[in-house]
Amino acid sequence: QQQVKQSPQSLIVQKGGISIINCAYENTAFDYFPWYQQFPGKGPALLIAIRPDVSEKKEGRFTISFNKSAKQFSLHIMDSQPGDSATYFCAASFAGAGSYQLTFGKGTKLSVIP
Amino acid sequence: DTGVSQNPRHKITKRGQNVTFRCDPISEHNRLYWYRQTLGQGPEFLTYFQNEAQLEKSRLLSDRFSAERPKGSFSTLEIQRTEQGDSAMYLCASSFGRGNTEAFFGQGTRLTVV
Repeated sequence: QQQVKQSPQSLIVQKGGISIINCAYENTAFDYFPWYQQFPGKGPALLIAIRPDVSEKKEGRFTISFNKSAKQFSLHIMDSQPGDSATYFCAASFAGAGSYQLTFGKGTKLSVIP
Repeated sequence: DTGVSQNPRHKITKRGQNVTFRCDPISEHNRLYWYRQTLGQGPEFLTYFQNEAQLEKSRLLSDRFSAERPKGSFSTLEIQRTEQGDSAMYLCASSFGRGNTEAFFGQGTRLTVV
């Protein structure tokens, strides 16, 4: 059972454009929603994270929008740059699982073309 | 480098051999995780340590897999009698404190079973 569904699988955006990646979750107990960026041959690195008590969080060019009633959240990358080309993963965890283990989506491969 | 360190970075082994991977978490991080990532997929949770205690194991962790974290410092993941299906990237992550906090990932160990 895939608890976090991510789309699209791949995305091509022009330099300067907006990249939008969407995720939907099933487990209403999830209470922490991070986004990770992964470059080839590297481990995932945290970009930005949100908790369900806020609907939006912005850090630089990265914004998470969160819709608790729809059980959806999305990552917006403003003014996308070629250096943003990477695979992005949404994830979720909840306090009830004492380990706070992360459940990841399948990833979105972003290509930003000049 | 004060990040999560994993060794080796790459491992090629013949089917049926045993392999062991090492993870050195960020100093003083009390929580340590192992994840497995296959091509085109997000990381999947394998097991979790809080200090030296292994508190949670995924059903993905078959009897051929064993993990330890002696003295709550570094951790090892051993796979016995490797199978081709074990080929994947094995990621280690660590975090500190209570509640949902940022998990820092290592660069992973890529295992190829031939």
